[in-house]
Amino acid sequence: NAGVMQNPRHLVRRRGQEARLRCSPMKGHSHVYWYRQLPEEGLKFMVYLQKENIIDESGMPKERFSAEFPKEGPSILRIQQVVRGDSAAYFCASSPRAARAQPQHFGDGTRLSIL
Amino acid sequence: KNEVEQSPQNLTAQEGEFITINCSYSVGISALHWLQQHPGGGIVSLFMLSSGKKKHGRLIATINIQEKHSSLHITASHPRDSAVYICAARLIQGAQKLVFGQGTRLTINP
Repeated sequence: NAGVMQNPRHLVRRRGQEARLRCSPMKGHSHVYWYRQLPEEGLKFMVYLQKENIIDESGMPKERFSAEFPKEGPSILRIQQVVRGDSAAYFCASSPRAARAQPQHFGDGTRLSIL
Repeated sequence: KNEVEQSPQNLTAQEGEFITINCSYSVGISALHWLQQHPGGGIVSLFMLSSGKKKHGRLIATINIQEKHSSLHITASHPRDSAVYICAARLIQGAQKLVFGQGTRLTINP
């Protein structure tokens, strides 16, 4: 019974490149949350998705960032034209349904480094 | 002022000591989470609670809804408990997203 799987664990990109971060939720989970942890800072909510729908993207930067959770396959967090300030750990969490009474299960994160 | 505040930010103790980490929040919540993060590692969910007290092994979490305060206690602390402990409030509003405290860095010396 695999947990939340994120890949890659570490990703290095040069400024201006694109970064794609993947998150496969736990089996049976249809709700995905993305969080970002900047160096020496706390975790911040980015976006909440259900299958094929973005429910809440209030924490997403307005430009260069996008997220999707297609009917088939993992959730993808995409960062276009990366800048140094995008260097952070990106965590994904999943829950079986709207998380009111459900704990969120976290992945091990993707550490993104921008050269 | 952050919506979720933790104290202390750093805590160093000797093996065997009783540890308390505090979390105060200023928003309406449906639940409060305690999470553990080891350096460079992933995040493990320790507790989710909306009232009262929960216990798992040497870990105890309590919450006082009226006072908007939660505590995480570790009994008989051990060096392997060294980690960052994070409280996170699940908002009633806003699609149940989590708002996180800054974390408490705990170091247990042998």
